[in-house]
Amino acid sequence: KNQVEQSPQSLIILEGKNCTLQCNYTVSPFSNLRWYKQDTGRGPVSLTIMTFSENTKSNGRYTATLDADTKQSSLHITASQLSDSASYICVAQYGNNRLAFGKGNQVVVIP
Amino acid sequence: EAGVAQSPRYKIIEKRQSVAFWCNPISGHATLYWYQQILGQGPKLLIQFQNNGVVDDSQLPKDRFSAERLKGVDSTLKIQPAKLEDSAVYLCASSLRTVSGNTIYFGEGSWLTVV
Repeated sequence: KNQVEQSPQSLIILEGKNCTLQCNYTVSPFSNLRWYKQDTGRGPVSLTIMTFSENTKSNGRYTATLDADTKQSSLHITASQLSDSASYICVAQYGNNRLAFGKGNQVVVIP
Repeated sequence: EAGVAQSPRYKIIEKRQSVAFWCNPISGHATLYWYQQILGQGPKLLIQFQNNGVVDDSQLPKDRFSAERLKGVDSTLKIQPAKLEDSAVYLCASSLRTVSGNTIYFGEGSWLTVV
């Protein structure tokens, strides 16, 4: 079954601290791995897109990694800010341009 | 560059009533998607258009949901009659074309509550 699992489901971190979100995917044939940020009440916004040949990609304080062998990805947030409070959705593209969405990691940054 | 526009942003209806959502994708984007996102879950694809043709509608509950993109630009998603379990956010998204690696841009969503 083509699916994406994310962990932890939710976490609370202090402003200025780092955190890492995990994503495991089982899709075939794999095409690329995407991370989206979704603020409460807003639509998802693309953070990164990585193909199987890319190991890491950064977007400001967000750094995504991909291990295509173990089918795992992570999103690292450096020096968190209050505005980082959001849901982070991992998406695996596969097959005939199909997308498998995870349920999201809910991040809350507190001062 | 204008983003994906959706309306209405919020809608409350009674069960068995009908509702329609409108989406205007980013100019020049050939591919348009409608997703349903239930609270606490990731988006689920309802239908995907390439220009004015349907690419994938395998998860669209066709007994009550319908969608069209007549001129290959804007699109309408209709629910008739609505059920309580249809309460969700309906996200419209678009991309230049259906190819691997293309960024998919989402609208702000239309929030539906069925009471």
